[in-house]
Amino acid sequence: DAGVTQSPTHLIKTRGQQVTLRCSPKSGHDTVSWYQQALGQGPQFIFQYYEEEERQRGNFPDRFSGHQFPNYSSELNVNALLLGDSALYLCASSPGLGIAGELFFGEGSRLTVL
Amino acid sequence: SQQGEEDPQALSIQEGENATMNCSYKTSINNLQWYRQNSGRGLVHLILIRSNEREKHSGRLRVTLDTSKKSSSLLITASRAADTASYFCAGGGAGSYQLTFGKGTKLSVIP
Repeated sequence: DAGVTQSPTHLIKTRGQQVTLRCSPKSGHDTVSWYQQALGQGPQFIFQYYEEEERQRGNFPDRFSGHQFPNYSSELNVNALLLGDSALYLCASSPGLGIAGELFFGEGSRLTVL
Repeated sequence: SQQGEEDPQALSIQEGENATMNCSYKTSINNLQWYRQNSGRGLVHLILIRSNEREKHSGRLRVTLDTSKKSSSLLITASRAADTASYFCAGGGAGSYQLTFGKGTKLSVIP
C-alpha cells in the first residue's frame, strides 16, 4: 500500500522563478493538504483540496496556488519565488472532508531559493 | 501563525529514561495530535486525543490533555536511541480542516 509520495525531493530555484511540486495521496484518500515548514519551525498550513476544490486556505499570499486532479493527486505552484520561500514543503492526505484528524505525510520537497 | 508552543525546545536524556514534552495552545480545539519528525523528513502521526478525553495511551506513549489550561503533555517511557527526533503537537480546530502545529521539541536519546 503506497503512502503519500512527493516529487521532486530537492530542487533549487532562483528568485523570481516559478516552481511546481507534486503529490500523490495515500491509496483510499481523497483529501490533500499542503504545509510549509521553514528550518527550525513547525509546519504551517497552506491550503487543503477536496473534490478538486480549495476548501480552506492558510495565511499565504496568492503566489501560492494549487490544483487537485480527478485521481486525487495534487500540485502546489509558487510564483515569483522569494528567498523566504526556501522551506520543506509537505503534502498530507486524509480520507474524506471533516474536522481535522490524523494526517499522513509524504517525505516532502525541499526547495532552496537563491 | 503557530498554534502551540512546545516546552522544552530541546531535551537530552539517557536511554531508558522517560521523556516528557509539554504543549500549550491558544484557541479552541476539537482534538490535539502529536507527530514525530526524523531529521527534516516527513511527519509521522503518533497519537490523537479528543477534546473530551483527558488521557490516552499507545504503547510507550502517554498523552494528557487539559482543556481548561489549554495544554497537553506527551510522555515517552523507557526511551530508546531510535526515539531521537523532533516532536510536534498540533491542534485540530473546531470547525476547521487544518492542523495548527507548534515549533516542536527536539529530543535526543543518548545510548
